[in-house]
Amino acid sequence: AQSVTQPDIHITVSEGASLELRCNYSYGATPYLFWYVQSPGQGLQLLLKYFSGDTLVQGIKGFEAEFKRSQSSFNLRKPSVHWSDAAEYFCAVGAGSTLGRLYFGRGTQLTVWP
Amino acid sequence: EAGVAQSPRYKIIEKRQSVAFWCNPISGHATLYWYQQILGQGPKLLIQFQNNGVVDDSQLPKDRFSAERLKGVDSTLKIQPAKLEDSAVYLCASSLGLAGSRETQYFGPGTRLLVL
Repeated sequence: AQSVTQPDIHITVSEGASLELRCNYSYGATPYLFWYVQSPGQGLQLLLKYFSGDTLVQGIKGFEAEFKRSQSSFNLRKPSVHWSDAAEYFCAVGAGSTLGRLYFGRGTQLTVWP
Repeated sequence: EAGVAQSPRYKIIEKRQSVAFWCNPISGHATLYWYQQILGQGPKLLIQFQNNGVVDDSQLPKDRFSAERLKGVDSTLKIQPAKLEDSAVYLCASSLGLAGSRETQYFGPGTRLLVL
């Protein structure tokens, strides 16, 4: 069965510092991978997704993620964090079938210090 | 383009009462999802509709939860009777087509339910 592990519950970085959020997935075939961001009182917003092809994926708001099959990872990165990036980040994996079910990790809460 | 609308935004009820949530997806979106997000966890899919048909309700507690999507547009999720463990945020999402996980899901702001 598909599953997603986000090992870091809470990360704190200073504004302007680089960021990496970790995500490991479990899935037998080539997965469909997603990163979503959730701000307080808001729904989830898609940052980026990976289906196939280039393993480095660019997303919105300056985020990127790299798919590493050998490590079953899909880590999210940003070279310079802004205070407005403070939010909760969710990694998700989809089965790739006609079913749209996404399996989400538990999320990583990002705090940005000024 | 208007996003996914949900109402109410907040609801407080006592256990054993019933409650209903409403979702209006993005216009033209064929697929609609209901997720449950318990505090400290990621969202978990409850049910998926394609047009007005159910394609996945394997994680829906059918003894107390029900959902419908009449006319293939808006949808209602009901809990009857509610239990304390149903306290969560209920998220509605929609996607344009029928390509499953390849479709981008657009989420509404959610309904926060507290069961006392």
